[in-house]
Amino acid sequence: NAGVTQTPKFQVLKTGQSMTLQCAQDMNHEYMSWYRQDPGMGLRLIHYSVGAGITDQGEVPNGYNVSRSTTEDFPLRLLSAAPSQTSVYFCASSPRRRETQYFGPGTRLLVL
Amino acid sequence: AQSVTQLDSQVPVFEEAPVELRCNYSSSVSVYLFWYVQYPNQGLQLLLKYLSGSTLVKGINGFEAEFNKSQTSFHLRKPSVHISDTAEYFCAVTGQGAQKLVFGQGTRLTINP
Repeated sequence: NAGVTQTPKFQVLKTGQSMTLQCAQDMNHEYMSWYRQDPGMGLRLIHYSVGAGITDQGEVPNGYNVSRSTTEDFPLRLLSAAPSQTSVYFCASSPRRRETQYFGPGTRLLVL
Repeated sequence: AQSVTQLDSQVPVFEEAPVELRCNYSSSVSVYLFWYVQYPNQGLQLLLKYLSGSTLVKGINGFEAEFNKSQTSFHLRKPSVHISDTAEYFCAVTGQGAQKLVFGQGTRLTINP
């Protein structure tokens, strides 16, 4: 049981490049979410999903896309990277909304 | 909508001293409250949660928190801290009918020997 896995661990992009951050969980959780963590700002919700085929926007969705074709996977796509997207990105999953969220180890992204 | 305010961005304490990390929330509906801990260069893990019932909640590593509805607070306490408690602590809230978990800005706990 690997829990929540994220790849890559580190990534450097140039402004304008696109990329996908991968997130997978093997706990059959319905609820998955993406957060970004910036100093002094806590964790801010980017997008979330309450089940396969259902996604919705969080607090800071601009510049990011998500899809949920399977229960296990919830990739986050950066369409055209900007320096303001330099951050640490965390994926999390939980059985239901009120339950404990299980976090992945994070992806550190630097956009030059 | 829910919101969370962690009143201290940094809290330095000496080893074996007690500590309290403060968290206030706002919500127009019934709330569910969480404390998460993030050790250096790691993801977050749950310390404790309040869903209903007893207002005093005990968590892992000797931490506890008290839900105070009249004060809209959920402060985290530990009677005696250890060097290994050095971490960042996040308070989070969701509400009945809400889909999102909202996090506070975090409190960095530093333990001095």
